[in-house]
Amino acid sequence: AQSVTQLGSHVSVSEGALVLLRCNYSSSVPPYLFWYVQYPNQGLQLLLKYTTGATLVKGINGFEAEFKKSETSFHLTKPSAHMSDAAEYFCAVGFMDTGRRALTFGSGTRLQVQP
Amino acid sequence: DAGVTQSPTHLIKTRGQQVTLRCSPKSGHDTVSWYQQALGQGPQFIFQYYEEEERQRGNFPDRFSGHQFPNYSSELNVNALLLGDSALYLCASSRQGVARNEQFFGPGTRLTVL
Repeated sequence: AQSVTQLGSHVSVSEGALVLLRCNYSSSVPPYLFWYVQYPNQGLQLLLKYTTGATLVKGINGFEAEFKKSETSFHLTKPSAHMSDAAEYFCAVGFMDTGRRALTFGSGTRLQVQP
Repeated sequence: DAGVTQSPTHLIKTRGQQVTLRCSPKSGHDTVSWYQQALGQGPQFIFQYYEEEERQRGNFPDRFSGHQFPNYSSELNVNALLLGDSALYLCASSRQGVARNEQFFGPGTRLTVL
């Protein structure tokens, strides 16, 4: 069975500082990987996804993530944090296999951005 | 283009009651998945519907059931509600065979069981 581990339930950065949110996964087959963001009292919005091809993936709002197979990681980064980035971030793993279309989510990381 | 819509937004029930939540998928999507997100946790997969049939199910009891209609909309039913069923219920839609399993999420229904 697949699983996702997000290291750090809370991350606090200063405005303008680097954002690094960590995600590690376990999977017996090549996964598809996703990062979602959730603002208070809202659903999930897709930030970026890795399926195949280039391992460095760029998403919306200046975020990017790099798939590292050897480290089973898919960490999310942003060079300069903005106050509007404060939210909950979820890493998820999925598969294209017809029998496994559910997404498995990590427990989330709450990002705080200090002025 | 309307995205995924869910109703109602909020719901308060008492233990033992039954509840029905509704979801309309994004235009062009034919698959609906339901997730439960407890407070402070990530979403957990409940089940997925395609062609009006349950195609995959997560680790949830039979008290959780669903339905998909010919227009691809879906309902989630929960019987004999427990306090632990209090959560945000998220609906996600996708299109079979397209776009690497990308799922689009609705705003959710917040269920409170007293």
